[in-house]
Amino acid sequence: AQSVTQPDIHITVSEGASLELRCNYSYGATPYLFWYVQSPGQGLQLLLKYFSGDTLVQGIKGFEAEFKRSQSSFNLRKPSVHWSDAAEYFCAVVRTGTASKLTFGTGTRLQVTL
Amino acid sequence: DAGVIQSPRHEVTEMGQEVTLRCKPISGHDYLFWYRQTMMRGLELLIYFNNNVPIDDSGMPEDRFSAKMPNASFSTLKIQPSEPRDSAVYFCASSLRGRYEQYFGPGTRLTVT
Repeated sequence: AQSVTQPDIHITVSEGASLELRCNYSYGATPYLFWYVQSPGQGLQLLLKYFSGDTLVQGIKGFEAEFKRSQSSFNLRKPSVHWSDAAEYFCAVVRTGTASKLTFGTGTRLQVTL
Repeated sequence: DAGVIQSPRHEVTEMGQEVTLRCKPISGHDYLFWYRQTMMRGLELLIYFNNNVPIDDSGMPEDRFSAKMPNASFSTLKIQPSEPRDSAVYFCASSLRGRYEQYFGPGTRLTVT
């Protein structure tokens, strides 16, 4: 069975600092991986996705993520965080055997201090 | 594109009442998903449809919950009778066959008193 682990429940960074949110997955084959962001009171918005090819993928809002098969990781990064990035971030993987059924991590809440 | 549309955005009802949540997926998408989000349980998949047919309803918590998709542009999630523990944010999402990424609506915040 597939699973996704986001080890950090809550992270606080200063505005302008760099950010890395961790995501580890458990899956036998090459996974399809996603990062979503949820601002307070909003739905989930797709930040970026990895299917195959280049292991460094670029997303919206200046985010990027790197797929590392050896570490079973798909960490999200941003070089300089803005106060508007404060939100909850979810990593997700496509579940085996069903074309579009996503398994979500428990989320990481990002707080940005000024 | 208007994105996934959900209504109502907020619903407050009394225990025992029937609640109907509505969703319009993105035009052309053939998968539709219903999720529930709570602080305690996080994001849970309740049911999903492919081409208007329910494929997996194993996440539906109990018989009080039912979902329908009468056509490609409309789905409902019904709770009858509602209970306080059903209080949550309910999301609808849609995706295109072979594309895997899901697009979420803004959610319906349900409060059952």
